[in-house]
Amino acid sequence: DAKTTQPPSMDCAEGRAANLPCNHSTISGNEYVYWYRQIHSQGPQYIIHGLKNNETNEMASLIITEDRKSSTLILPHATLRDTAVYYCIVRPYPGSSNTGKLIFGQGTTLQVKP
Amino acid sequence: EAQVTQNPRYLITVTGKKLTVTCSQNMNHEYMSWYRQDPGLGLRQIYYSMNVEVTDKGDVPEGYKVSRKEKRNFPLILESPSPNQTSLYFCASSPRVDTEAFFGQGTRLTVV
Repeated sequence: DAKTTQPPSMDCAEGRAANLPCNHSTISGNEYVYWYRQIHSQGPQYIIHGLKNNETNEMASLIITEDRKSSTLILPHATLRDTAVYYCIVRPYPGSSNTGKLIFGQGTTLQVKP
Repeated sequence: EAQVTQNPRYLITVTGKKLTVTCSQNMNHEYMSWYRQDPGLGLRQIYYSMNVEVTDKGDVPEGYKVSRKEKRNFPLILESPSPNQTSLYFCASSPRVDTEAFFGQGTRLTVV
């Protein structure tokens, strides 16, 4: 079972920031938060990941609360091409014993509107 | 260009006719895996491979086989496809088991 909870859908105006929340209240201290997105029925695309500090890359920013029980993915200037299903995934820290399996929940469908 | 390539992209086949979906990555990744995606069930892992000649079952391995004879290739084999294997299939690869995954474009399989 997915260890995350996300709203099923969100809308965002083109050019505005899209803020996608994720609840992971049962996250362990050694687990990372990963974000992927899936456009139409294409293969999921990695966006960003983090442990406890905020992270930023060319695609997005990830804000993780101090207690690590929730996070927010921020797309600073959403475009129509950002319309997709966004998945928040919790996975073990690097080096731990795990199968590498990604557990995808239902995700958030983000609709960017003109 | 770094990529994960699946073939075919679309396939319609009949029950019982053996088929293979190929997956190839050009990034020298150690870890590869197969997922299937079904409405309401999300993506579920079928099989994975930590490295050459090392494979193991994921969550839904029944009816599937895999092999990893070379690092770049990880084919998915359906020995006797059935209609319940109609699905959208994705191959993924990662530099290591605990790093970000790169997914192929998907194979839409219909078994009639």
